[in-house]
Amino acid sequence: AQSVTQPDIHITVSEGASLELRCNYSYGATPYLFWYVQSPGQGLQLLLKYFSGDTLVQGIKGFEAEFKRSQSSFNLRKPSVHWSDAAEYFCAVSRDDKIIFGKGTRLHILP
Amino acid sequence: GAVVSQHPSRVICKSGTSVKIECRSLDFQATTMFWYRQFPKKSLMLMATSNEGSKATYEQGVEKDKFLINHASLTLSTLTVTSAHPEDSSFYICSATTGGWGVDEQFFGPGTRLTVL
Repeated sequence: AQSVTQPDIHITVSEGASLELRCNYSYGATPYLFWYVQSPGQGLQLLLKYFSGDTLVQGIKGFEAEFKRSQSSFNLRKPSVHWSDAAEYFCAVSRDDKIIFGKGTRLHILP
Repeated sequence: GAVVSQHPSRVICKSGTSVKIECRSLDFQATTMFWYRQFPKKSLMLMATSNEGSKATYEQGVEKDKFLINHASLTLSTLTVTSAHPEDSSFYICSATTGGWGVDEQFFGPGTRLTVL
């Protein structure tokens, strides 16, 4: 069965530091992969997606993610975080026309 | 981008009553809407998929008589939690898509916090 694993429930980084959020997936075929961000009081916002092609994907707000088939991973990165990046981040994989979400990683930013 | 609203944002009700949650696509026509339930510290769980004018398709384990979904127009879908109980307390999120594949076409509402006393 398709699944998405985000091994880190909470991540704390200092403002200006680099960030990497981990995501591993289990999927029989070539997956469609996504990262979403959820801020309090706001809906889920798509940061970036991977369908095919270049395995390094650029997204909004300075985020990028790299698809590594050999590791079944799709980790999210940002070179320098801002206090406004504090939020819940969800990795997701598609199944037919539906999305399966990971359990999320809560990102905390230290001033 | 496309905007999806939900109403109410928060609702508190007594056990045994029914609660209706609305999901609206404000500036586009949504051929398909999805309803999710989010538990604390857990991922979003897809409850059902609704297409305008047809019956919703429920995911395994979701009680269709408990969670009534109506998608009467291209801009409105409603989720009614019937005879609510405290275990139904949760965060409910809808999303809408214009159809065709492309998940960036699926836009999420801000969610509704349901608390059943």
